[in-house]
Amino acid sequence: QVRLQESGPGLVKPSETLSLTCTVSDGSMSYHYWSWIRQPPGKGLEWLGYIFYSGSTNYNPSLKSRLSISLDSSKSQFSLKLSYVTAEDSAVYYCARGSIIGGFPIWGQGTMVTVS
Amino acid sequence: QSALTQPASVSGSPGQSITISCTGPNSGVGSYNLVSWYQQHPGKAPKLIIYEGTKRPSGVSDRFSGSKSGNTASLTISGLQTEDEADYYCCSSVGGNSWVFGGGTKVTVL
Repeated sequence: QVRLQESGPGLVKPSETLSLTCTVSDGSMSYHYWSWIRQPPGKGLEWLGYIFYSGSTNYNPSLKSRLSISLDSSKSQFSLKLSYVTAEDSAVYYCARGSIIGGFPIWGQGTMVTVS
Repeated sequence: QSALTQPASVSGSPGQSITISCTGPNSGVGSYNLVSWYQQHPGKAPKLIIYEGTKRPSGVSDRFSGSKSGNTASLTISGLQTEDEADYYCCSSVGGNSWVFGGGTKVTVL
C-alpha cells in the first residue's frame, strides 16, 4: 500500500512563502494526480491544486496567483509553495493521490502549518 | 469555484438510517458520477468511502451507500453505529481537471 508523508516547517511568518514536500513511499508517481488539500482548524476541506505525473498542473482559482506545485520523480516527491501567506493560510495541509473519477483514495497524515 | 452544499449536521440513533445530501451547481454533481465521499474522525486524515457516486472501495462497510438525483448527490448510512460518528465531506470533480469539496456534515449518534 502506497503511503504519503508531508514534511516542512510548522511555523511560517506572514508575507513569507510556505513550502511543503510530500514523499511517496513506493516511488510510483506515474498515471496519477498528486494533489494538495488543506483544512483550517475547525473548518472544512479545500482542494488547492494538483500536478499530474506528466508535469501538468491546475490550481484552485482562489489561490492561483500564489500557488505553485512541482514534481521530482527521481526523489518520489511533489512539493507545494504558497507565497505571501497570511493567518488565513494556517491549516492542516494534506497531500493526496487521486483521479478524476476515483476521488482521493490515498492521503498523507497531514501537517499543521501556522502563520504567525 | 463554489463549495458544494451539505447540511451542517445530521443525527440518528443506533440502528437507524441517515442520509446526507450534497448539492452543487457544477456539472460534476449534475451530469456525471464524479462525486466522492469522505469520512473524517477528529485528528485523522479523511478516508474515501464512496467514489464514482455509488462505488465503495475495498474494505468499506456496505452500510455506506451513495446515490444521485439531478444536481444532488446523497450518502446514506444504514444501521448507524457509534463509530460512524464523524464528519463527512462530499467532493466533485469540476470540468475534469479540478475538485471542489462540500462544507462538511457532522454526524452525531444519539
